[in-house]
Amino acid sequence: DTGVSQDPRHKITKRGQNVTFRCDPISEHNRLYWYRQTLGQGPEFLTYFQNEAQLEKSRLLSDRFSAERPKGSFSTLEIQRTEQGDSAMYLCASSLADPPPSGQETQYFGPGTRLLVL
Amino acid sequence: RKEVEQDPGPFNVPEGATVAFNCTYSNSASQSFFWYRQDCRKEPKLLMSVYSSGNEDGRFTAQLNRASQYISLLIRDSKLSDSATYLCVVKGFQKLVFGTGTRLLVSP
Repeated sequence: DTGVSQDPRHKITKRGQNVTFRCDPISEHNRLYWYRQTLGQGPEFLTYFQNEAQLEKSRLLSDRFSAERPKGSFSTLEIQRTEQGDSAMYLCASSLADPPPSGQETQYFGPGTRLLVL
Repeated sequence: RKEVEQDPGPFNVPEGATVAFNCTYSNSASQSFFWYRQDCRKEPKLLMSVYSSGNEDGRFTAQLNRASQYISLLIRDSKLSDSATYLCVVKGFQKLVFGTGTRLLVSP
């Protein structure tokens, strides 16, 4: 399978613990995005990378959240001192910047990591 | 006001019906427009891009009205397998902005 993969698929943790999620994008994609989705809502943008550079962060991304993409390939999203309000599906997407002239940049999503904070 | 607004539904339709979804967006600088489909507890998947000239893909037709900042999706001859949540998506500079989604239930 050459799509976007995420690990773990499910995570249950206790309030106050730290968690880390991993995303492996489609191999030739140079852009990687993180989104968060809660029940009954559409996904909300958190942050994105072009290669290893983090170019934009949402105001949703508090200082307890940090994302990295050290070699421009996989990315990690860490949440420190988790809170019950962090319970959500965390989605990763990747895309190819500068698509062919006839195409639009399309973001492809991974299966998500479902986080439950008790 | 949300940046992308959709009627959450649910829309309950019988097989074979035609159903239309609409959404409005507030940022006139938005550059690209999409419909994504999301099945229960799964990731969103691109259904189709939306262009001002209108575009069709089989039973699905999407339309964009930039002047009214309005996007539509028409599904003809609904199938049971069309039951899902349909997300209206607008792209600004880089990030995607999603509506809350419209839930469609197609019954036999």
